[in-house]
Amino acid sequence: AQTVTQSQPEMSVQEAETVTLSCTYDTSESDYYLFWYKQPPSRQMILVIRQEAYKQQNATENRFSVNFQKAAKSFSLKISDSQLGDAAMYFCAYGGSNYKLTFGKGTLLTVNP
Amino acid sequence: DAGVIQSPRHEVTEMGQEVTLRCKPISGHNSLFWYRQTMMRGLELLIYFNNNVPIDDSGMPEDRFSAKMPNASFSTLKIQPSEPRDSAVYFCASSFGQEAFFGQGTRLTVV
Repeated sequence: AQTVTQSQPEMSVQEAETVTLSCTYDTSESDYYLFWYKQPPSRQMILVIRQEAYKQQNATENRFSVNFQKAAKSFSLKISDSQLGDAAMYFCAYGGSNYKLTFGKGTLLTVNP
Repeated sequence: DAGVIQSPRHEVTEMGQEVTLRCKPISGHNSLFWYRQTMMRGLELLIYFNNNVPIDDSGMPEDRFSAKMPNASFSTLKIQPSEPRDSAVYFCASSFGQEAFFGQGTRLTVV
């Protein structure tokens, strides 16, 4: 069974600075997807960024980028120029051949003004 | 598109009562998922459907929980009888392919 581990329960960053959230996963599959979801206090789950495992190039969405290390089974999220609105719980998720999403426990990000 | 629509947003019920949560997936999506979120256990997949057929219900905690998807545009998650430990936020999500879109969740409180 796939597992997703987020080793940082909480992180904080100063506004305009950069922060990196860590995620590791375990799988025996070769083809899969990885996701970062954001959950603000409104509790809506918002997709931030996705990465296909077959792609070597790291995904980027504006201020959000990932560092995908397939051999190490690592998938970290970098948030550049952090904004107050980035404060939320961030979940790393694995999507395999069965289309189920397996989530990590989450990292609570605080942005300090 | 209005996105995944869940109702109700909040539900407070007494222990022993039946609770029904509802979900309307995004039109054209062929997979539907029910997740439960608690502080202790995080996000857990309860059950998922593909083309209206239940594919994996191994996450359903016990027989008190049941889910149906009578057609492509509607699903229900029922708890009967409800217990205080069922208190959680229940999410419905739909997808076509790998990217899942979530509803706003139903916060269930069983007193």
